[in-house]
Amino acid sequence: DGGITQSPKYLFRKEGQNVTLSCEQNLNHDAMYWYRQDPGQGLRLIYYSQIVNDFQKGDIAEGYSVSREKKESFPLTVTSAQKNPTAFYLCASSISPPTGKLFFGSGTQLSVL
Amino acid sequence: SQQGEEDPQALSIQEGENATMNCSYKTSINNLQWYRQNSGRGLVHLILIRSNEREKHSGRLRVTLDTSKKSSSLLITASRAADTASYFCATASTSGTYKYIFGTGTRLKVLA
Repeated sequence: DGGITQSPKYLFRKEGQNVTLSCEQNLNHDAMYWYRQDPGQGLRLIYYSQIVNDFQKGDIAEGYSVSREKKESFPLTVTSAQKNPTAFYLCASSISPPTGKLFFGSGTQLSVL
Repeated sequence: SQQGEEDPQALSIQEGENATMNCSYKTSINNLQWYRQNSGRGLVHLILIRSNEREKHSGRLRVTLDTSKKSSSLLITASRAADTASYFCATASTSGTYKYIFGTGTRLKVLA
């Protein structure tokens, strides 16, 4: 089945620790995105990538980093500089340039120990 | 960032009733989309309406768009318990933009 796979489903971070969230897609999409969702709020864009080896900051990139070495993969690292990392993180993909429809993974819930 | 606003924030109805939720946005758009999110899951695309369209249907879904008022509504007819979820609108300001703006969502509960 084609789709987007995020792992792990739940992740715990200790203070001062960097953690990496995985996102893999087999939809052959060029564009990939990372969103953060806090309770009662909409999605906010962290980073997006239009094509392999390229990525741009979204609205809330501080404290996060990404890489796009393969078309299928767009991992997100939550660094120790992100002081409030507890949130639900969603990865998405689309054709590039996007015509509208985003395809989402099932999300990773990150919590701080 | 300029998030869209949706109302109501929460809606509780009986099975078989219709559910209407509204979305307002701030900028000129190329298209507007509606997504559904079950609790603790990712979003699923429901329907897209372009800025030059006024109404669109898909199964039990009806979407309207009023660009002069910068607003859209999603109507779910003959609701079912399985429709219980959060619903989000998302706007794309220009063609080819990668920056979609999501609304704050409406939590719909359909009581059996």
